[in-house]
Amino acid sequence: GAVVSQHPSWVICKSGTSVKIECRSLDFQATTMFWYRQFPKQSLMLMATSNEGSKATYEQGVEKDKFLINHASLTLSTLTVTSAHPEDSSFYICSARGPQWGRADTQYFGPGTRLTVL
Amino acid sequence: AQTVTQSQPEMSVQEAETVTLSCTYDTSESDYYLFWYKQPPSRQMILVIRQEAYKQQNATENRFSVNFQKAAKSFSLKISDSQLGDAAMYFCAPSSYSGAGSYQLTFGKGTKLSVIP
Repeated sequence: GAVVSQHPSWVICKSGTSVKIECRSLDFQATTMFWYRQFPKQSLMLMATSNEGSKATYEQGVEKDKFLINHASLTLSTLTVTSAHPEDSSFYICSARGPQWGRADTQYFGPGTRLTVL
Repeated sequence: AQTVTQSQPEMSVQEAETVTLSCTYDTSESDYYLFWYKQPPSRQMILVIRQEAYKQQNATENRFSVNFQKAAKSFSLKISDSQLGDAAMYFCAPSSYSGAGSYQLTFGKGTKLSVIP
């Protein structure tokens, strides 16, 4: 139980275009999802917290107009990187707060999306 | 904001032996949770073990156990009978309450564990 998927697993795009990444909780409803960014050989950095039906809360230093987050349903959150540039190339990981029937204090992670901006 | 220190960037262990990964953290909260996640080369984050800070008993999950010292803010992970599949990056992550029943994680920089056959 508590499975989280991400799509796509990897994406290559041209500079200036927008890219959407989907994060889904497959077997539970996730009222809260989290988006992280991970550079090579580094740790995970929290970008934003996404609550279903409300605006996302962004961490300091994260541009909310560049990284648009939408959590329109209890099983889906999306991250859109707008006007992507090469410096946005990274590994993006989502997680979901655990189900009510399980461990709501635990985060379950998706497999990540590798974004390369040319 | 929480700070998390994993003082061992890399460690190695012989297959079937035991290894301990260290983690110290700083928090002003009294009620929180602590986690160890592993990230193999596939980069999928996998939950290894979870500890509730209000519990004195150390958590155990099969070959994985923790030594939780709340006063010292120390949370080490012991892996017994190490297996080749244990090779991964291990992240220590204490949580902090962020409202609406949700907890944020702060990750340490990680310890890369190699298992020698």
